[in-house]
Amino acid sequence: NAGVTQTPKFQVLKTGQSMTLQCAQDMNHEYMSWYRQDPGMGLRLIHYSVGAGITDQGEVPNGYNVSRSTTEDFPLRLLSAAPSQTSVYFCASSSTGVYSGNTIYFGEGSWLTVV
Amino acid sequence: LAKTTQPISMDSYEGQEVNITCSHNNIATNDYITWYQQFPSQGPRFIIQGYKTKVTNEVASLFIPADRKSSTLSLPRVSLSDTAVYYCLVVGDSNYQLIWGAGTKLIIKP
Repeated sequence: NAGVTQTPKFQVLKTGQSMTLQCAQDMNHEYMSWYRQDPGMGLRLIHYSVGAGITDQGEVPNGYNVSRSTTEDFPLRLLSAAPSQTSVYFCASSSTGVYSGNTIYFGEGSWLTVV
Repeated sequence: LAKTTQPISMDSYEGQEVNITCSHNNIATNDYITWYQQFPSQGPRFIIQGYKTKVTNEVASLFIPADRKSSTLSLPRVSLSDTAVYYCLVVGDSNYQLIWGAGTKLIIKP
């Protein structure tokens, strides 16, 4: 079972470059989200989606764009990378929101360094 | 949005029972309490979820008092492999913006 798959696992960017972190899930989950986690910190929500064609901002959306053209895929785009975006990024999914016992499944993470 | 407060870190020894308490004073009526475990270089993994009283599964128990303003994750007879960060999360049906605290770093010693 693949679950939530993120690519790439590691990436080094130069300041000002753009890139896309890919996320795919094979569980037919409606809800998908992107988090960033800085060293020693908890997860901070960047963007989320409750279904294809529907996205919304989380706690720290600035500098990031998302789209949800299919149920399976939820890519995260860094528009113009900055050193402050150096972090570990996690994609997550769950069915019909995250309440009433619906478990959140996480990808293995994408380590991004901006120099 | 209900915010949670947990101890930053805890130490214990193999074979002991570990209890981690989370405070969530402004929990809403329809909110559930969920705990996740995160190992280094991995995404968080679901441990247990509850609404009130006690919930038990094969890895942990969750105790929630009547006022639901706190909850306690109990790990029976911990081993070295239980060394991880544990997150308490309050989730509700009125929003999708989850607030993750810094978690509790649990270190198990031999």
